[in-house]
Amino acid sequence: KAGVTQTPRYLIKTRGQQVTLSCSPISGHRSVSWYQQTPGQGLQFLFEYFSETQRNKGNFPGRFSGRQFSNSRSEMNVSTLELGDSALYLCASSLAGSFSEQYFGPGTRLTVT
Amino acid sequence: QQPVQSPQAVILREGEDAVINCSSSKALYSVHWYRQKHGEAPVFLMILLKGGEQKGHEKISASFNEKKQQSSLYLTASQLSYSGTYFCGTSWQGADGLTFGKGTHLIIQP
Repeated sequence: KAGVTQTPRYLIKTRGQQVTLSCSPISGHRSVSWYQQTPGQGLQFLFEYFSETQRNKGNFPGRFSGRQFSNSRSEMNVSTLELGDSALYLCASSLAGSFSEQYFGPGTRLTVT
Repeated sequence: QQPVQSPQAVILREGEDAVINCSSSKALYSVHWYRQKHGEAPVFLMILLKGGEQKGHEKISASFNEKKQQSSLYLTASQLSYSGTYFCGTSWQGADGLTFGKGTHLIIQP
């Protein structure tokens, strides 16, 4: 069974730009959650999508948004990038949601200059 | 409220035991443990639900103390492959998602 895939793996953007990250969950998983990982704050929950609906949202500004498609693939968008948005963005898929066993992807390393 | 993990880092010899604690100031509903090796994705270890249960996974087990709002992860007879950063993720009634601690760095030396 293929694991969770994320594209791109690395990204360099300039402050003020916007970026879209993609996540393909494990086949059959309808839940996709997104996390931001930084050395200072650790893993922070961004949002969760389940069957194309946002089910939960963490404490991040509205510049962070996401969506999920009918095939369960998910995208995360960050608009008006700030230097502090530099981080590893991880997505995780699960059968039953973010409160059950999650399978993480390798992440997208975003650097904002 | 981000849970507090202790210790922040620990270095052990192969075969020694380790205990990692995860404490919360909120009444917990569940505690989730993950291990992340350098440059890799976090890997699920186990979930403990409110009720003080103990779970085991090979030589790795965990407990959930509801009175103390604390979970402990036990690694017995540690192996080199146990090295990595251990994260606890917590949830409470009405939580929007998991809140993770900052992690405990575990280094196992031969």
